[in-house]
Amino acid sequence: DAGVTQSPTHLIKTRGQQVTLRCSPKSGHDTVSWYQQALGQGPQFIFQYYEEEERQRGNFPDRFSGHQFPNYSSELNVNALLLGDSALYLCASSLEQLNTEAFFGQGTRLTVV
Amino acid sequence: LAKTTQPISMDSYEGQEVNITCSHNNIATNDYITWYQQFPSQGPRFIIQGYKTKVTNEVASLFIPADRKSSTLSLPRVSLSDTAVYYCLVGYTGRRALTFGSGTRLQVQP
Repeated sequence: DAGVTQSPTHLIKTRGQQVTLRCSPKSGHDTVSWYQQALGQGPQFIFQYYEEEERQRGNFPDRFSGHQFPNYSSELNVNALLLGDSALYLCASSLEQLNTEAFFGQGTRLTVV
Repeated sequence: LAKTTQPISMDSYEGQEVNITCSHNNIATNDYITWYQQFPSQGPRFIIQGYKTKVTNEVASLFIPADRKSSTLSLPRVSLSDTAVYYCLVGYTGRRALTFGSGTRLQVQP
């Protein structure tokens, strides 16, 4: 049973560019959340998707947007990249109907130069 | 959301028991307490979750006093591979956003 998979694993972008990160949830999971983790810090919640809609959002600007597809996979898009967007981006999946723990992927390391 | 406070770092030796305490004075009635482990450049991994008293699984125990204002993660007989950051979270997992603090960096020495 594959866990949460994220792609790509590493990415280097130039300031001002746009980036799309992808996540496939654990089999059977229908809720996907995205987190940003700066070096030395704990993960910070960006937003959560359920039934193809954004259900919750953290304190992130509109440059951060997302999408969830009918197969529950998800994308995170970041526009107009800033140097401060350099971080490990984590995807977590869970099952809505149960109070289950969230399972995290290994993350995408984004470097903005 | 309930704020959590845990030590920034801890050191231990292989074979010892490690106890990491987390304070969460403003925990709500329906909040669970969850601990995650994270290795460098990897996503956090669920360790254990509890609501009250004691919970034990194959890797750890979680002790929660009656007032639930704190909790203690107990790792029996740690090994070098237990060197990681440990996060204490309070909330209702899955359906809501997880709020991570800075975690506790555990360093296990040989």
